[in-house]
Amino acid sequence: EVRLVESGGGVVQPGRSLRLSCTASGFTFGDYGMTWFRQAPGKGLEWVGFIRGKAYGGTTEYAASVKGRFTISRDDSKSIAYLQMNSLRTEDTALYYCSRNPCTYDACYFYSDYWGQGTLVTVSS
Amino acid sequence: DIVMTQSPDSLAVSLGERATINCKSSQSVLHSSNNINYLGWYQRKPGQPPKLLIYWASTRESGVPDRFSGSGSGTDFTLTISSLQAEDVAVYYCQQYYSTPLTFGGGTKVEI
Repeated sequence: EVRLVESGGGVVQPGRSLRLSCTASGFTFGDYGMTWFRQAPGKGLEWVGFIRGKAYGGTTEYAASVKGRFTISRDDSKSIAYLQMNSLRTEDTALYYCSRNPCTYDACYFYSDYWGQGTLVTVSS
Repeated sequence: DIVMTQSPDSLAVSLGERATINCKSSQSVLHSSNNINYLGWYQRKPGQPPKLLIYWASTRESGVPDRFSGSGSGTDFTLTISSLQAEDVAVYYCQQYYSTPLTFGGGTKVEI
């Protein structure tokens, strides 16, 4: 059974850092891309960024709102994807989800076939 | 950015009747290299993450009942629930993955 479990959320002051983890099980982690989304209170789903599978260079892309502050990485040996969040702002307050993206022989495709339950990040002084 | 616009915002349908949800993208999500539409549909119930129903605009995800179907190409897409069941009450979202930033429609709430 495919499972994605986010952790690492909590309350943090503006300007500080936080690292979220997405622990995967039930599939060969390295064969998939991983995407982070977030949903702020009362707002819609927002794409944060993604990381391709290692076979595709493990390259990343980010939303403009987080580029330069957030970094996505992966440890395929542990089946974990990370979201390192620096210089946090109050507007980063949201429920953060990780999701899985299928890859084929030629590319990763960024529809999300499995999602975690999310971890809540609150940025407040 | 590709803007996704869904209609209607909400929809009340009787049990067993058809529900139709529309999604329009501000630019084509049809990839010219492979003639495939980079468009997905998700179902979301309260307190849960989204669940993938349809990808490539019309391919049903494994395990999704065949009463759910997707159609359309280019900029105009439709999700159809052919015979609404009680468990289909949810909010439905389209999402394009043709280009970054990945973007979602605003959602359509389906009620009985």
